[in-house]
Amino acid sequence: DADVTQTPRNRITKTGKRIMLECSQTKGHDRMYWYRQDPGLGLQLIYYSFDVKDINKGEISDGYSVSRQAQAKFSLSLESAIPNQTALYFCATSDPGHPEQFFGPGTRLTVL
Amino acid sequence: QKEVEQDPGPLSVPEGAIVSLNCTYSNSAFQYFMWYRQYSRKGPELLMYTYSSGNKEDGRFTAQVDKSSKYISLFIRDSQPSDSATYLCAMSAIYNQGGKLIFGQGTELSVKP
Repeated sequence: DADVTQTPRNRITKTGKRIMLECSQTKGHDRMYWYRQDPGLGLQLIYYSFDVKDINKGEISDGYSVSRQAQAKFSLSLESAIPNQTALYFCATSDPGHPEQFFGPGTRLTVL
Repeated sequence: QKEVEQDPGPLSVPEGAIVSLNCTYSNSAFQYFMWYRQYSRKGPELLMYTYSSGNKEDGRFTAQVDKSSKYISLFIRDSQPSDSATYLCAMSAIYNQGGKLIFGQGTELSVKP
């Protein structure tokens, strides 16, 4: 079974709709991250959480919100989706003291 | 100027060639250097991880870090078609930036049979 899972894997929605992307992990890591990937721009950090009560904004948090429901679960919400939020979204995890991060399979989101 | 710069390619080589992938960076606080491989429609997977300067070898892959030049490289020997993917460099100054990784744009590699 995959250590980091994301649902849904693909989603098409319309402008103005609320969308939630979910991430679960079985690695037992405290730290979780949400990134978006656009062609030619690499991975950009949206939000990160070092534990259930510690949530921080990344480089591009505008238009997004997150919820850390448990150590193993970290959700990303788009309150009112817009077309330029069309991208690949990845969740990642890491352990404190270890910089390497482990990624989920991604969610392909299209906003029409 | 971005903190981490990586030539996006695409880079196309024949099977068996030696591939050199590179990144430059501007933040001298970076201490941890990683290479990720990302196949089409998949998440990035950690390939190599190096702390500070020096070389690290794993099979056909060698990672090099030159902190004095702020330059890192990934070499792939005897390249195979299965190496065709996008390669992302990533860096961290774990204490200064709370463990956040800064990624390059990724280099798309194609190895032709």
